[in-house]
Amino acid sequence: AQTVTQSQPEMSVQEAETVTLSCTYDTSENNYYLFWYKQPPSRQMILVIRQEAYKQQNATENRFSVNFQKAAKSFSLKISDSQLGDTAMYFCAFGRSFGNEKLTFGTGTRLTIIP
Amino acid sequence: DAGVIQSPRHEVTEMGQEVTLRCKPISGHDYLFWYRQTMMRGLELLIYFNNNVPIDDSGMPEDRFSAKMPNASFSTLKIQPSEPRDSAVYFCASSHRVNTGELFFGEGSRLTVL
Repeated sequence: AQTVTQSQPEMSVQEAETVTLSCTYDTSENNYYLFWYKQPPSRQMILVIRQEAYKQQNATENRFSVNFQKAAKSFSLKISDSQLGDTAMYFCAFGRSFGNEKLTFGTGTRLTIIP
Repeated sequence: DAGVIQSPRHEVTEMGQEVTLRCKPISGHDYLFWYRQTMMRGLELLIYFNNNVPIDDSGMPEDRFSAKMPNASFSTLKIQPSEPRDSAVYFCASSHRVNTGELFFGEGSRLTVL
């Protein structure tokens, strides 16, 4: 079974600064997907960024980028130029590559952006 | 598309009562998932369906929980009888095989059992 670990329950950073959220996972599979989801106070989970394990290039989406280290089974999220709207819970998730089966989520990191 | 629609948004009930949560997935999606979120246990997968057929219900906590998907556009999660420890936010999510794993979540149903 896959496990996903987020070791930072809470983080805070000043607006406009850069912050990195950590995630490690454990799997015996070679092909898989990794995700970062954002859950703002409104509660709805929103996909932030996705990484396919077979791709060596790190995914980027505007101010969001990942550092994917497959050998180390590490998948961190970097948020640049942080904004107040980035305040949310962030969940790292693992998904198998065959079919849209269940995602395994980490316990989340609560990120607060300070004005 | 309207996205995944869940109802009710909030439900307060008394212990022992039956609770039914509803979900309408995104049209065309062939996977549907029910997750439960609590402070103590985080996000837990309860059950998921593929083409209306339950694939994995190993996360359903006990026989008091049941889920159905009578057609591609509707699913229910029922708790009977409800207990205070069932208090949580219940999320429904859907996806399509071409989405490479991305789940689209509803806004969740917050259940409080007194």
